[in-house]
Amino acid sequence: EADIYQTPRYLVIGTGKKITLECSQTMGHDKMYWYQQDPGMELHLIHYSYGVNSTEKGDLSSESTVSRIRTEHFPLTLESARPSHTSQYLCASSEPGWRNEQFFGPGTRLTVL
Amino acid sequence: AQSVAQPEDQVNVAEGNPLTVKCTYSVSGNPYLFWYVQYPNRGLQFLLKYITGDNLVKGSYGFEAEFNKSQTSFHLKKPSALVSDSALYFCAVRDVNAGNNRKLIWGLGTSLAVNP
Repeated sequence: EADIYQTPRYLVIGTGKKITLECSQTMGHDKMYWYQQDPGMELHLIHYSYGVNSTEKGDLSSESTVSRIRTEHFPLTLESARPSHTSQYLCASSEPGWRNEQFFGPGTRLTVL
Repeated sequence: AQSVAQPEDQVNVAEGNPLTVKCTYSVSGNPYLFWYVQYPNRGLQFLLKYITGDNLVKGSYGFEAEFNKSQTSFHLKKPSALVSDSALYFCAVRDVNAGNNRKLIWGLGTSLAVNP
């Protein structure tokens, strides 16, 4: 079992609220990622980081923002949640180098009413 | 352009029978290839990868995959399916020669159902 944690696991929230999805890993990985996935569907990379103070937007446009102040922590924030943000959010991490696999957290299922 | 195709949305197989989940890819250079599995309401778990060397790669839970360069394929196989193998399977590829664009490209996923 990979040592990558996401909280909360489930979140139901009203429109307009600010939310932060937490992701932490204890493996010391430099690379971290956020994916958005509708249930049973493909993965979309929305943010990634190659290390502290490094963040990049992914392939899917997202209204969320991320920060990487500590190696182990990569939170994702939505300033004003909308029903279109309803989805599953998966956090992952990997060691440096292109041949390494990603380790995934259990995901946060977000519902915005 | 880099791409991954999983031509089957769903695969059904009887327990005890061999299973195959197909994956083909398109990259301009050499590929790094990965298979992941996702059980219901869980994150993805890494199964196996091909980097270089032997074309037949063995991974977790009795799964294996064969890299076929001429057919640009990396099909996932298991000799005898279990009901507990029922899950969503994702193939992913990275173009080693893509310079700064070596992002992981994901397939759309194949839902495997193993019937008792």
